[in-house]
Amino acid sequence: RKEVEQDPGPFNVPEGATVAFNCTYSNSASQSFFWYRQDCRKEPKLLMSVYSSGNEDGRFTAQLNRASQYISLLIRDSKLSDSATYLCVVTGGSTLGRLYFGRGTQLTVWP
Amino acid sequence: DGGITQSPKYLFRKEGQNVTLSCEQNLNHDAMYWYRQDPGQGLRLIYYSQIVNDFQKGDIAEGYSVSREKKESFPLTVTSAQKNPTDFYLCDSSELAGRGRETQYFGPGTRLLVL
Repeated sequence: RKEVEQDPGPFNVPEGATVAFNCTYSNSASQSFFWYRQDCRKEPKLLMSVYSSGNEDGRFTAQLNRASQYISLLIRDSKLSDSATYLCVVTGGSTLGRLYFGRGTQLTVWP
Repeated sequence: DGGITQSPKYLFRKEGQNVTLSCEQNLNHDAMYWYRQDPGQGLRLIYYSQIVNDFQKGDIAEGYSVSREKKESFPLTVTSAQKNPTDFYLCDSSELAGRGRETQYFGPGTRLLVL
C-alpha cells in the first residue's frame, strides 16, 4: 500500500469554480502534512502546511483529519494561474525529515 | 540568499556512461535527500543522508551512488547500471530538529536525458 494516495484527477474546471482535492495517508505516526504545487517541468513548491485545526490562506483551505488519516485542499474562485499539479505530502516513519509524496492531481482551469 | 542549487539543469548521458548530478545547500541543514520523479509516479526517494559521511538507501537506490563528504554537498551519480534514467531529479534538504518541516527547500531539479 502506498504511503500517500491522492485523487487521480485530472480536474478540468472553469474559472471561478470551487475544486476540492483529497488525500489519505497510511502511517498513523505521520507528523507533518503539506500541500505542494508543481508547475510543468519545475520543482515542487510549498503551497501550505496542514493542521488539525484547519488553515486558510486566501482562496485555499486545507484540512487534516488524523482519525481518518485524511487530508483535503479546497480552492475557491479558481484562477487560470491555479493550473498545476497538486501534491499531497506527509512526513513521518523511520526516516526523520523524509517526505512521502502522493502521485499528484493535475488541475486545469479554463477561461 | 540561502537555498539549494542543483546543476546542471539538463544533463545528457550516453548509455553505459556514469554521470554525476550536483546538489549544494548553504542552509546549514543536516539532512539531504535525492528524489526521482517519473511521469505519473510521483517523487520517490533514491538516497538520503542525515549526517556527514553517512547515507542510506531509499526506495529506488539501485543504479545510483552518493557521497556526503561535506555538510553542504550531496552529489548523486547515475551509474551505467541504470537502464532508463531519463527523469527529473530533485534534491531536498532539511533540519533534523524533531519538529515538523515547516519550510521546504527543493533545488530546481536536473533533467537527465539519454542519448
